[in-house]
Amino acid sequence: ETGVTQTPRHLVMGMTNKKSLKCEQHLGHNAMYWYKQSAKKPLELMFVYSLEERVENNSVPSRFSPECPNSSHLFLHLHTLQPEDSALYLCASSLAWGELFFGEGSRLTVL
Amino acid sequence: AQSVAQPEDQVNVAEGNPLTVKCTYSVSGNPYLFWYVQYPNRGLQFLLKYITGDNLVKGSYGFEAEFNKSQTSFHLKKPSALVSDSALYFCAVTWRAGSYQLTFGKGTKLSVIP
Repeated sequence: ETGVTQTPRHLVMGMTNKKSLKCEQHLGHNAMYWYKQSAKKPLELMFVYSLEERVENNSVPSRFSPECPNSSHLFLHLHTLQPEDSALYLCASSLAWGELFFGEGSRLTVL
Repeated sequence: AQSVAQPEDQVNVAEGNPLTVKCTYSVSGNPYLFWYVQYPNRGLQFLLKYITGDNLVKGSYGFEAEFNKSQTSFHLKKPSALVSDSALYFCAVTWRAGSYQLTFGKGTKLSVIP
């Protein structure tokens, strides 16, 4: 049990669908992150939400849209995705800029 | 800019032997270095970090890492490998205290052979 819960664990969607990934942390942390993990590539930081800043990786396509309604919840809204977007999407949280606590990931397959 | 290199995609070691997983980094300024481990079908777990001070850092599960500024390296080590250590290991770096932007390496798959 990591304290960071991601749902769904697996998602299959067509290119015209709209879906959302959800992340919830129960650790009292004040920063939350979305990372993309593709095989044999470095983890790619997509978005960060913290009290001090919101960071967006400029290379992330606009078909990915984050939402952070409060410090415990983070969403990643997905629309008109491409097959190359298939990957493991990892949510993480931290207290200030300390070590990251990761969820178990949402495995996304785009057909 | 900051970057991390993990030169080995895979490391094989016999159970009971010492293991080393290599990491080199490039940052402007002082580095803040981390190691994470990922077991199959799981998220990443924090192992250890170097911020400042002693170059030898001890972490979870008997792992340690040595910071070498002149060689810009932060290799992960363990004196005696266990089969249960088999996993994917990631090195990460940030260049600025207070930065939320960690840069990760591609990962090294460690296989410990019984």
